[in-house]
Amino acid sequence: AQSVTQPDIHITVSEGASLELRCNYSYGATPYLFWYVQSPGQGLQLLLKYFSGDTLVQGIKGFEAEFKRSQSSFNLRKPSVHWSDAAEYFCAVGGLEGGKLIFGQGTELSVKP
Amino acid sequence: ETGVTQTPRHLVMGMTNKKSLKCEQHLGHNAMYWYKQSAKKPLELMFVYSLEERVENNSVPSRFSPECPNSSHLFLHLHTLQPEDSALYLCASSQRVAGGLNTGELFFGEGSRLTVL
Repeated sequence: AQSVTQPDIHITVSEGASLELRCNYSYGATPYLFWYVQSPGQGLQLLLKYFSGDTLVQGIKGFEAEFKRSQSSFNLRKPSVHWSDAAEYFCAVGGLEGGKLIFGQGTELSVKP
Repeated sequence: ETGVTQTPRHLVMGMTNKKSLKCEQHLGHNAMYWYKQSAKKPLELMFVYSLEERVENNSVPSRFSPECPNSSHLFLHLHTLQPEDSALYLCASSQRVAGGLNTGELFFGEGSRLTVL
C-alpha cells in the first residue's frame, strides 16, 4: 500500500539550531517526493520537490531534503532555524499520475527563543 | 488576483442546511482538487477534476457533491452534513499533461474552515 509516515508529530527546536524532519514512504513505483509547509490559517506552500537526478534538493527558505532510496526516506533539513519557520510540515509522495499525492499526517514545528 | 482563492474562509452551518464552497484558480491550470484536512490526520483527497474527467475517493459520503463548470472554478456543495464533517477544506490546482510527465505539484488555496453544529 502507498503511504507516508512522519514519525514526529511535534518537534521543538531553539532558534539558530539545526533541524531535521523525518519522512518515510512506501510506494510501488518511482516516487515523486514533496515537502509542503502550512502556517496557521493558511494553505499549503511547496518547499521543495524531488523527481529525479541529484538526490539532494534545495528548496525555498533555506530548506533542503535528501532522497535515500535504500531507506525509503526523504528527510527535510535546515542548518539554522528562524522563529518564522514555526509551522506544520507535510511530506507527500506521488507518481506519474501526478496530483494524487499521498500526504503524511504532518509534523508541527515550534521554535523557542 | 493570483493563485488559488477560496470562499468563504469560514462557514458555520447546521446539519439541515445546504451551502457551497467555492474555489477559483488564476494559474491557467487544467486540474483542480478538493482535500479535507482534519486535526492530526493526513490530508484526504476527496475529488479530482482533470482533463475533463472526474475522479473521486469512494469513501467520500454523498452529502458532498462537487461541481466543476470550467477549468478555473470548482465548487463543493454541502447538504445534511454531520458534526464529524467539520474540518478545513482545501482546494488545489495543478497543470497536468495528458500522457506525459506530470509534475504533481499542487498549488493550494488558504482553505475554508467548516463547522457543522
